[in-house]
Amino acid sequence: QQQVKQSPQSLIVQKGGIPIINCAYENTAFDYFPWYQQFPGKGPALLIAIRPDVSEKKEGRFTISFNKSAKQFSLHIMDSQPGDSATYFCAASEGNQGGKLIFGQGTELSVKP
Amino acid sequence: DAGVTQSPTHLIKTRGQQVTLRCSPKSGHDTVSWYQQALGQGPQFIFQYYEEEERQRGNFPDRFSGHQFPNYSSELNVNALLLGDSALYLCARGEDYTFGSGTRLTVV
Repeated sequence: QQQVKQSPQSLIVQKGGIPIINCAYENTAFDYFPWYQQFPGKGPALLIAIRPDVSEKKEGRFTISFNKSAKQFSLHIMDSQPGDSATYFCAASEGNQGGKLIFGQGTELSVKP
Repeated sequence: DAGVTQSPTHLIKTRGQQVTLRCSPKSGHDTVSWYQQALGQGPQFIFQYYEEEERQRGNFPDRFSGHQFPNYSSELNVNALLLGDSALYLCARGEDYTFGSGTRLTVV
C-alpha cells in the first residue's frame, strides 16, 4: 500500500518530443505528489508538485496530470531538449508537511538531438 | 541546492567500520529527513528529525541512527558497515522537500 509504481523504466525521445512518465499509487491518504529530476552524482531536484484537489499543473515546459479516481499521475515534458536527459522520480507523501516521501523506481530519459 | 549542504561528498569505509555523515539545512527549516539511494533505485526514507527528536523512521535497522542539533543541522551514523550500505545518502530539509547533493558512501 505504501508503494508508488513508476513506468517506463527508460525512455528515448527525439528533441522536441513529449516524453510522458506515469506513476500509480494505492494509498488514498497520499496528498502530495512531487516530481524530481536527478543528474548523475547529484541529489534529486524538485521540478513540480501537485495536490489531489487539482487535475493539472503546469510550470514552464513541465506538466503534471493527476487522476484521483484512478490513483495515477503523470509528468509531461513539452518540447524536450537534450539537457532534459536525466533520471526522473515521482514520489508521494501523506499527512504532515515534510513527512516521508515514497519514491517510484525512476525513469531514465534520454533526449536525442 | 545551496539550501542544504552535505558533507563529505565522497567517503570510502571498510566493512565493520562506523561512519558519520552531516547535513546542514538553510536556517529556518527545523525538519530534516535522511534517505538512502542505492544505485539505480529511488531514494528510501531512513528517518526524520524535528526539533531534535526522531519523528518518523523507515524500515532500517538500529545500526542507522541520527541526531539533530539546536541549529537544525543533523548527523546520520551508521555502525558495523556492510557492503550493502554502499549508496548515496541524501538529506532533505523541512516542508519544501529540498535535497542536498548527497554523500556517496562506498564500503569495501
